[in-house]
Amino acid sequence: AQSVTQPDIHITVSEGASLELRCNYSYGATPYLFWYVQSPGQGLQLLLKYFSGDTLVQGIKGFEAEFKRSQSSFNLRKPSVHWSDAAEYFCAVGAWMEYGNKLVFGAGTILRVKS
Amino acid sequence: NAGVTQTPKFQVLKTGQSMTLQCAQDMNHEYMSWYRQDPGMGLRLIHYSVGAGITDQGEVPNGYNVSRSTTEDFPLRLLSAAPSQTSVYFCASSRTENNYGYTFGSGTRLTVV
Repeated sequence: AQSVTQPDIHITVSEGASLELRCNYSYGATPYLFWYVQSPGQGLQLLLKYFSGDTLVQGIKGFEAEFKRSQSSFNLRKPSVHWSDAAEYFCAVGAWMEYGNKLVFGAGTILRVKS
Repeated sequence: NAGVTQTPKFQVLKTGQSMTLQCAQDMNHEYMSWYRQDPGMGLRLIHYSVGAGITDQGEVPNGYNVSRSTTEDFPLRLLSAAPSQTSVYFCASSRTENNYGYTFGSGTRLTVV
């Protein structure tokens, strides 16, 4: 079965510092991978996605992620964090069902930004 | 475009009560789904639909019913609410069942007491 592990429940970084959020997945075939961000009281917003091709993916808000098949990882990075990046981040893998697809989510990582 | 609209935003139910969570989208998306979000567990799929008249179960369907009579609407019914159904519920839609370009609603926070 497909699964996603986000090892860090909480991460605190200083404003201006670099950020890396970890994500490991389990999936038998070539995965479709996603990172979403959720601000308090809001729905989920797609940051970036990987389907195939270049393993370094650029997303919105200055985020990027690198797909490493050998490590089953899809870590999210940002070179310089802003206070507005404080939110919860979810990694997800796309999985097939009988009639369509679904997203299998990790448990999330809460990012706190200190000034 | 309004995108995906969920109502209500907040709801408190007593154990055993029934209610319907509404979800509507105005993007002519064929694919719609319901997820629940619980702390430390991410989001889990409850039910999904690939078009009017076609629905199927997700990972955690027990205690919930859905139907899809129109492209725009995909209501989620709680038949007899239980405290274990206290959660935040998200509706999502995408253009087709093979398209991962989901648009999420802003969620319904449900508390069952």
